[in-house]
Amino acid sequence: SAVISQKPSRDICQRGTSLTIQCQVDSQVTMMFWYRQQPGQSLTLIATANQGSEATYESGFVIDKFPISRPNLTFSTLTVSNMSPEDSSIYLCSAYIGGNTIYFGEGSWLTVV
Amino acid sequence: GNSVTQMEGPVTLSEEAFLTINCTYTATGYPSLFWYVQYPGEGLQLLLKATKADDKGSNKGFEATYRKETTSFHLEKGSVQVSDSAVYFCALSETGGSYIPTFGRGTSLIVHP
Repeated sequence: SAVISQKPSRDICQRGTSLTIQCQVDSQVTMMFWYRQQPGQSLTLIATANQGSEATYESGFVIDKFPISRPNLTFSTLTVSNMSPEDSSIYLCSAYIGGNTIYFGEGSWLTVV
Repeated sequence: GNSVTQMEGPVTLSEEAFLTINCTYTATGYPSLFWYVQYPGEGLQLLLKATKADDKGSNKGFEATYRKETTSFHLEKGSVQVSDSAVYFCALSETGGSYIPTFGRGTSLIVHP
């Protein structure tokens, strides 16, 4: 397994602002993923972030709203832009470490007011 | 496409009771199967996994057996504790594919003293 750290762990944000979530993995990984988990729901994949290429977004998610960076093999950021209360969710970073298994960070709990 | 179906929650049990959370799947290939657990206020943790038919994954007293004939991966524990209260997610990923798991909707477990 690996240690995947996210920050901030929690934040309360004003509507219309943007927030960048950072994700750090303690080993080099090719594939990283960003998920959203709305209250009481399962996980929804936002995008796949591979180092050296543009992020690949799932249906319903666009780069203007959720820009992602992947500058190296251990780090990624997700920005939630122009936030509204509907963006209040847990945002989870994950990475493929090996063994056909992905591991998750602790999540970033966002509340937009 | 792939899909995972979990039993509806919440599942409410008394301490030391036997737990079963049902999970069935549909997949086009030969997937790996997983159970993830999300404790209150935390991210997802890998609980156990199985990569081929008849494999049994186990961890922290939980077990699940990969049943290809019934396309199932039910989670069991012989004696639950209050500290097992969490949301449990069943997931699959295609071997040799993108490694992006398909998640079930999650099943909330509440254990009373």
